[in-house]
Amino acid sequence: SAVISQKPSRDICQRGTSLTIQCQVDSQVTMMFWYRQQPGQSLTLIATANQGSEATYESGFVIDKFPISRPNLTFSTLTVSNMSPEDSSIYLCSVLGADGYTFGSGTRLTVV
Amino acid sequence: ELKVEQNPLFLSMQEGKNYTIYCNYSTTSDRLYWYRQDPGKSLESLFVLLSNGAVKQEGRLMASLDTKARLSTLHITAAVHDLSATYFCAARPDPGGTSYGKLTFGQGTILTVHP
Repeated sequence: SAVISQKPSRDICQRGTSLTIQCQVDSQVTMMFWYRQQPGQSLTLIATANQGSEATYESGFVIDKFPISRPNLTFSTLTVSNMSPEDSSIYLCSVLGADGYTFGSGTRLTVV
Repeated sequence: ELKVEQNPLFLSMQEGKNYTIYCNYSTTSDRLYWYRQDPGKSLESLFVLLSNGAVKQEGRLMASLDTKARLSTLHITAAVHDLSATYFCAARPDPGGTSYGKLTFGQGTILTVHP
């Protein structure tokens, strides 16, 4: 199955700033996803990262807040913009490969 | 819209006992997944169930799928402390729609196994 490197693993950020999370896959994948997991909660899909086109966002998530890039089939970034304490969560990338879904190790974000 | 519900949300078990976690989903799905998550960790894939009547077993865990009832179960046999974790089920919509590929997760079941 695909191997994902997600960075950073954790960060503490000041409110009003932005953080960019990177997701690097060791093989080309068509479908890549970004999830948010709020403390003690399940995973909620933020968006599907599309290579060469704009990401597809789920209800409740907007591009201005969570801009996503997908320059090629092995890499994507998620930016959490103008952060507030409510953005404190774990953010995970996921890919759909031939063997099914693989999840990154997650980025634990704390906004103070 | 696909919705997934798990129960129970919290499960406290004694070692050696058996129990079942239930996962209901609202519309047809072509894949049902079970994951384990340890505190502060990412998701570990346990099972993927593809068809009606599918049953998979790994150690003390057994998963099954009833597509007609839109129900999957994760059965724990003779629980041990190492099984303490959060367990999620997730369903994927049938292919052909705009939501294909997108997993919808259940709320998760926090399992604690006591000596």
